Amino acid sequence: QQQVKQSPQSLIVQKGGISIINCAYENTAFDYFPWYQQFPGKGPALLIAIRPDVSEKKEGRFTISFNKSAKQFSLHIMDSQPGDSATYFCAASGNYGQNFVFGPGTRLSVLP
Amino acid sequence: SQTIHQWPATLVQPVGSPLSLECTVEGTSNPNLYWYRQAAGRGLQLLFYSIGIGQISSEVPQNLSASRPQDRQFILSSKKLLLSDSGFYLCAWGDRVAGGRETQYFGPGTRLLVL
Repeated sequence: QQQVKQSPQSLIVQKGGISIINCAYENTAFDYFPWYQQFPGKGPALLIAIRPDVSEKKEGRFTISFNKSAKQFSLHIMDSQPGDSATYFCAASGNYGQNFVFGPGTRLSVLP
Repeated sequence: SQTIHQWPATLVQPVGSPLSLECTVEGTSNPNLYWYRQAAGRGLQLLFYSIGIGQISSEVPQNLSASRPQDRQFILSSKKLLLSDSGFYLCAWGDRVAGGRETQYFGPGTRLLVL
């Protein structure tokens, strides 16, 4: 119930391509879904977040798509760049004292 | 603006030695505080979290302990390090957004190598 599943585990994309990372959850009490970007040797940094009252949120080349009925959300990176190469974590948070839960992470490599 | 500090940045310790990692947060009051451990190439394992001074919850039983002596200070300790304690230790603070939901913000991390 507390788990957030994330796929793929690793992803290789050519420069200029679209990177797509998917996450799924079971607990319907989750209602806030942030994504984090982590470069090697650094702490994760908040990238973008969405609440389930919207189906999509876009910030620059990064877009979150949210499907409440399927309990799934995804991160799309348009025009992927080598500088986007990092590990991406999805997460879920909720009201009523729900703990903050992270997905296992996706290692993205964007080839030049 | 809020800032989170961790030190040291890197630490090499022999097996059986003690450990003390410190985390401090600036620019906020009464934050939720968290310690995570990350093995190389792996995900984030929650070790401890704290909702206030002296209030510590442990997620994983092990030879580590945590303390919160001040509102914005969180300390991770061990009396005797094991080889398996090696990893990347991350401190985070939780910012409660509207409706009680929380976003976590991470510090720069401490790389610990136990030899």
